[in-house]
Amino acid sequence: GENVEQHPSTLSVQEGDSAVIKCTYSDSASNYFPWYKQELGKGPQLIIDIRSNVGEKKDQRIAVTLNKTAKHFSLHITETQPEDSAVYFCAATSSGYSTLTFGKGTMLLVSP
Amino acid sequence: KAGVTQTPRYLIKTRGQQVTLSCSPISGHRSVSWYQQTPGQGLQFLFEYFSETQRNKGNFPGRFSGRQFSNSRSEMNVSTLELGDSALYLCASRETGNTGELFFGEGSRLTVL
Repeated sequence: GENVEQHPSTLSVQEGDSAVIKCTYSDSASNYFPWYKQELGKGPQLIIDIRSNVGEKKDQRIAVTLNKTAKHFSLHITETQPEDSAVYFCAATSSGYSTLTFGKGTMLLVSP
Repeated sequence: KAGVTQTPRYLIKTRGQQVTLSCSPISGHRSVSWYQQTPGQGLQFLFEYFSETQRNKGNFPGRFSGRQFSNSRSEMNVSTLELGDSALYLCASRETGNTGELFFGEGSRLTVL
């Protein structure tokens, strides 16, 4: 089955800096790669996703890149703000949108 | 629209007991999936239901089961509880079609003593 590795496990940045989280996946058939943000006491929330026929996608301060050859994808957050502090999960799937394999998560702390 | 609602939010059980968790999806969402979240293993897929049928199942023992009703509400059951079943159980619903977004509830936190 699919295996998703995520790095780093924790990331501390100053407000205004950029943050990058990287994930690798094992199943070359995976075709959908979402990123979820989980705040304390809440369920994960989708922040951006990318499909295998696209190399990059942007949404305001957030961007995701996908390298199918190397089987890795990354989340980029620019101009970080304290409210970006949360746990971020990458995921991949080849067998349907609901059957996601998640990475172990990255705790992002943005200091004012 | 109301979000995904999970009940109960917190519960404590002892080893050997069983537990039933409930999930009400967003109105109109027919797909409901369940995930187990633990500090060590992260988020792991349990199963997905669509139109009262289990569509996919993760790698969990048969003690974990679920069902979906005609109104799309779903329940999951864990029998013969073990200490390792302590976790946050998350339910997510999704619109059908080519939309990948899962809408998660806030979860049911199960503690097994």
